[in-house]
Amino acid sequence: SQTIHQWPATLVQPVGSPLSLECTVEGTSNPNLYWYRQAAGRGLQLLFYSVGIGQISSEVPQNLSASRPQDRQFILSSKKLLLSDSGFYLCAWSPSLTSGSDEQYFGPGTRLTVT
Amino acid sequence: LAKTTQPISMDSYEGQEVNITCSHNNIATNDYITWYQQFPSQGPRFIIQGYKTKVTNEVASLFIPADRKSSTLSLPRVSLSDTAVYYCLVGDPVFSGGYNKLIFGAGTRLAVHP
Repeated sequence: SQTIHQWPATLVQPVGSPLSLECTVEGTSNPNLYWYRQAAGRGLQLLFYSVGIGQISSEVPQNLSASRPQDRQFILSSKKLLLSDSGFYLCAWSPSLTSGSDEQYFGPGTRLTVT
Repeated sequence: LAKTTQPISMDSYEGQEVNITCSHNNIATNDYITWYQQFPSQGPRFIIQGYKTKVTNEVASLFIPADRKSSTLSLPRVSLSDTAVYYCLVGDPVFSGGYNKLIFGAGTRLAVHP
C-alpha cells in the first residue's frame, strides 16, 4: 500500500531563517506531487505541483520554492521566512496517469510558526 | 476550473442525516465532482466522487442532478466523529494536463452535537 510521510510535524522558526520541509511517498512510482498551505480556518492553497523529477510548477509567486530531486521526494524550501509563511503545510500525491476520476492522498502535514 | 459555493457552516445532532449542497453553475462537460473531509490538524481525506446521478459508498452518498450545476453530499446518521470540514471540488485532471489540479475553497464546517 502507498504511504506518504512529512517531516517535521511541527516547526517554529524566526523571521528571516531558512526553511526545508520534506515529503516522501512509498509504494508507488512516478506520482504527481503537490504542496499546499492552509492558513488557520481557511481552505487549502496550492503552492506547487510536480509531474516528474525536476519538473516543478508554481501556482503562487512568493518566497517559497520547491524541488523534486527523486521520483518520490518533494521538498519545500525558503531562503528567508516571513511572518505570513506561518501555516499548515500539506504534501499530497496522486497517480500520474488519469482517465477522468482521480483523488489526492494527503500527508500528515507540518505546522509552521514563524516568530 | 469551475467555482464552487457551499455553506460556511452547518449544525446537526447525532443520528441525523446531513445533506451538504454545493453549487457549481459553470461545471464543464469533463469535470468530476469530488468531496473531501478534513479533521483539525490533518490533511483532507477523499470521501466520494461522481459525474452524474447518484454514487454511494460505505461513507456517504452523492446526488448529482441532470444539469450537474449542483451536488449534494449526504451523510447518513452522523456521529460526533463526523465533525469536520467538508470540501466540494470540481475539476478535470485530464484536461489539466495529467495532474489533478483541485481548488479547495473554505469548505463547510459541520458540527455534530450530542
